[in-house]
Amino acid sequence: AQSVTQLGSHVSVSEGALVLLRCNYSSSVPPYLFWYVQYPNQGLQLLLKYTTGATLVKGINGFEAEFKKSETSFHLTKPSAHMSDAAEYFCAVSRGSGGYQKVTFGTGTKLQVIP
Amino acid sequence: DTEVTQTPKHLVMGMTNKKSLKCEQHMGHRAMYWYKQKAKKPPELMFVYSYEKLSINESVPSRFSPECPNSSLLNLHLHALQPEDSALYLCASSQGPMAGGTGELFFGEGSRLTVL
Repeated sequence: AQSVTQLGSHVSVSEGALVLLRCNYSSSVPPYLFWYVQYPNQGLQLLLKYTTGATLVKGINGFEAEFKKSETSFHLTKPSAHMSDAAEYFCAVSRGSGGYQKVTFGTGTKLQVIP
Repeated sequence: DTEVTQTPKHLVMGMTNKKSLKCEQHMGHRAMYWYKQKAKKPPELMFVYSYEKLSINESVPSRFSPECPNSSLLNLHLHALQPEDSALYLCASSQGPMAGGTGELFFGEGSRLTVL
């Protein structure tokens, strides 16, 4: 079984401040972990992913995340928030099953950026 | 630009109408998915096709009927829907693990469905 928990359904930061969105996972096997971003009335777009190798993963738009096995965490950070970062963010864990991927999403965190 | 194309972007239908949502990808992915997303919620899996065969049906009501005519196309046929079926319907594709996929889903921009 696999699951992800996102702490905080709503996070507000000032423009230029640090962004920290939290995600903890549960997986019986080494996980593939993802962060997706969704802007209003659009589909989900991959920000970054962890599969194997380096535990600090860099993604698009200046975001990065660190896989910490000991803490079962995969928190998303960005040093300086921009107004365009306001969106919904979903953490996800994936498990391959035959010819497809079984993906479990977190409940999402809405990021508000205050000017 | 998304590599998964969904049409139409918006659809309004009555409860007695029959309509279809369409999805197309040209990335050579052999797994395709339909998700339903309500406001302020994560995507909820409806169907998965793998190599053009239905692999998962998450107990979706029969008023939703999926179809995968070939490896690039995925349809969702809609009939006798209810107002509570109004939502954003997302199509996604992926490379399966046997083909070297690492779990990433590629999403279309979605079809916003309103049932009156």
